[in-house]
Amino acid sequence: SAVISQKPSRDICQRGTSLTIQCQVDSQVTMMFWYRQQPGQSLTLIATANQGSEATYESGFVIDKFPISRPNLTFSTLTVSNMSPEDSSIYLCSVGWGDFDIANTGELFFGEGSRLTVL
Amino acid sequence: AQSVTQLGSHVSVSEGALVLLRCNYSSSVPPYLFWYVQYPNQGLQLLLKYTSAATLVKGINGFEAEFKKSETSFHLTKPSAHMSDAAEYFCAVSEGTSYGKLTFGQGTILTVHP
Repeated sequence: SAVISQKPSRDICQRGTSLTIQCQVDSQVTMMFWYRQQPGQSLTLIATANQGSEATYESGFVIDKFPISRPNLTFSTLTVSNMSPEDSSIYLCSVGWGDFDIANTGELFFGEGSRLTVL
Repeated sequence: AQSVTQLGSHVSVSEGALVLLRCNYSSSVPPYLFWYVQYPNQGLQLLLKYTSAATLVKGINGFEAEFKKSETSFHLTKPSAHMSDAAEYFCAVSEGTSYGKLTFGQGTILTVHP
């Protein structure tokens, strides 16, 4: 397992501003992901954070809106750019190890999330 | 493409009663299936997982789930509900070729009455 710390845990932001969310893991992990949970909705994968290279975005998410960095195996940031009220969500960092096998069965571990409210 | 459907956005049970949360999936390859729980203002915690071993999977806090390929289901059960089980539960599927890309169901909020 892993201990995942996200900062900030919550914030209230003004329309048009940008906010960077940090995700720190207490051990090196193979995979890091960013998910979004809109109010009353399920979780949607935004992107895979790749160490030392550009993130891989899911359909409907673009780098200009959600730039992601992953400088090493324990840290990643997600920026929500030019925010609008529609960006009000919980943003969750998740991590995992390796491929599916007996030891690593592909489960993901989640941080407690960053709750953003955009006014 | 994979998908998950959770039947019932809200389930209410009495303390001590059976808990049954339904999950059906769609996957083009043998799936890996997970149940996560989210307590208020907290992140997601893994309850249990199915990864092609035993079809009846036991998890934490007395929960278990049974993988039924013929029914494409992975329902979550607990024989006797406890007040502390009140939370939101998410079923998720991952295909082996897309590790880490979990597709989540809509979630089911479980309420437990005294």
